[in-house]
Amino acid sequence: GNSVTQMEGPVTLSEEAFLTINCTYTATGYPSLFWYVQYPGEGLQLLLKATKADDKGSNKGFEATYRKETTSFHLEKGSVQVSDSAVYFCALSDPGGGGADGLTFGKGTHLIIQP
Amino acid sequence: SAVISQKPSRDICQRGTSLTIQCQVDSQVTMMFWYRQQPGQSLTLIATANQGSEATYESGFVIDKFPISRPNLTFSTLTVSNMSPEDSSIYLCSPEGVNAYNEQFFGPGTRLTVL
Repeated sequence: GNSVTQMEGPVTLSEEAFLTINCTYTATGYPSLFWYVQYPGEGLQLLLKATKADDKGSNKGFEATYRKETTSFHLEKGSVQVSDSAVYFCALSDPGGGGADGLTFGKGTHLIIQP
Repeated sequence: SAVISQKPSRDICQRGTSLTIQCQVDSQVTMMFWYRQQPGQSLTLIATANQGSEATYESGFVIDKFPISRPNLTFSTLTVSNMSPEDSSIYLCSPEGVNAYNEQFFGPGTRLTVL
């Protein structure tokens, strides 16, 4: 079946530091990959996406590249801000793989940015 | 993206009772997904609801515990039956992906606490 593994948190960084949150996946088909973000007290928001190998998704200074050879979709940001403090979820959609059409989520990584 | 609303936004319920959560979408969608997010955990797909047919449940979830209705293409309900404290979670609905990427957007969620 499909699965998503992401680094355990919490991850604590200082403002303006470089961020990487690792995400690897297992899928039977050719999945689309997503990063979602959940700010404190808010709902789940789509941050960025990529649908095929070597695609790069980007939004709000965050980037992630779909690496089929390493089955990875690591989230990066060059200079984080306090406002980036949130929980980040890596997810995949693999409807062609015979599984559910819903999303498979990683466990989430809690990011804390200190001023 | 679709506008998704849920009612109630939160509730505190007694053990053994049932709660019905409503999800309204501002456009017609064939499939609606229901997820659960237990405290500090990731999202887990409960079931997929198609209009005009019975919902499809994921492993570990059964219709008697989580009955779902889908009376039309813009509305769905999820009932959490015979609740126990272990059912305390955020419940989210999500309409099917809006494009070939199958990217999904989520309602604001219903925060349920069972005493």
